[in-house]
Amino acid sequence: GAVVSQHPSRVICKSGTSVKIECRSLDFQATTMFWYRQFPKKSLMLMATSNEGSKATYEQGVEKDKFLINHASLTLSTLTVTSAHPEDSSFYICSARVPGLAGWQDTQYFGPGTRLTVL
Amino acid sequence: AQSVTQLGSHVSVSEGALVLLRCNYSSSVPPYLFWYVQYPNQGLQLLLKYTTGATLVKGINGFEAEFKKSETSFHLTKPSAHMSDAAEYFCAVSLGNSYDKVIFGPGTSLSVIP
Repeated sequence: GAVVSQHPSRVICKSGTSVKIECRSLDFQATTMFWYRQFPKKSLMLMATSNEGSKATYEQGVEKDKFLINHASLTLSTLTVTSAHPEDSSFYICSARVPGLAGWQDTQYFGPGTRLTVL
Repeated sequence: AQSVTQLGSHVSVSEGALVLLRCNYSSSVPPYLFWYVQYPNQGLQLLLKYTTGATLVKGINGFEAEFKKSETSFHLTKPSAHMSDAAEYFCAVSLGNSYDKVIFGPGTSLSVIP
């Protein structure tokens, strides 16, 4: 099946620095990618929808200036956590939608996640 | 607004016993429904999904789920638990009938006792 990768898998940074997380679709083109955040022992929270060539759509309560999303190509979306603080520490997961012939045939593939720790 | 509830944040079963993980949803339009499994420090893997057609859906690793519209449920079952089934399971529902926004339930942690 389709594969989605994330890099890095784990990152530790100092408070105040910015961190970029990459999400790549390895064997397919993804016009739409999604970014989720998962707190320890909690469910996934959709942060934003990333559309290739256009601005991301952020969910209510997600700071767009804090979490910068860029989807410059059909195989790459990036999430940059700017001026990171300890409360930004979390597991960030991306996913990519593979369109089918009809909407119900679409499939969503998830990346392995990136664990961010801000000291 | 769509939402998902999973009864039981933690479920323990004996190896070889029936696995039943409960999921109820609310949606104003016919939803797409999903079950995902997550192993520690890993991303999500799709177990099965219901989009249209047959209400009993078979997935990977011997899991299946039945969409019951009258009960707004999509419970996940497996006849015989295996040690490798121990993981976090998430039920999810799409907004409308697309993948544009998927709302996840709180998750159920499954433990399998030898």
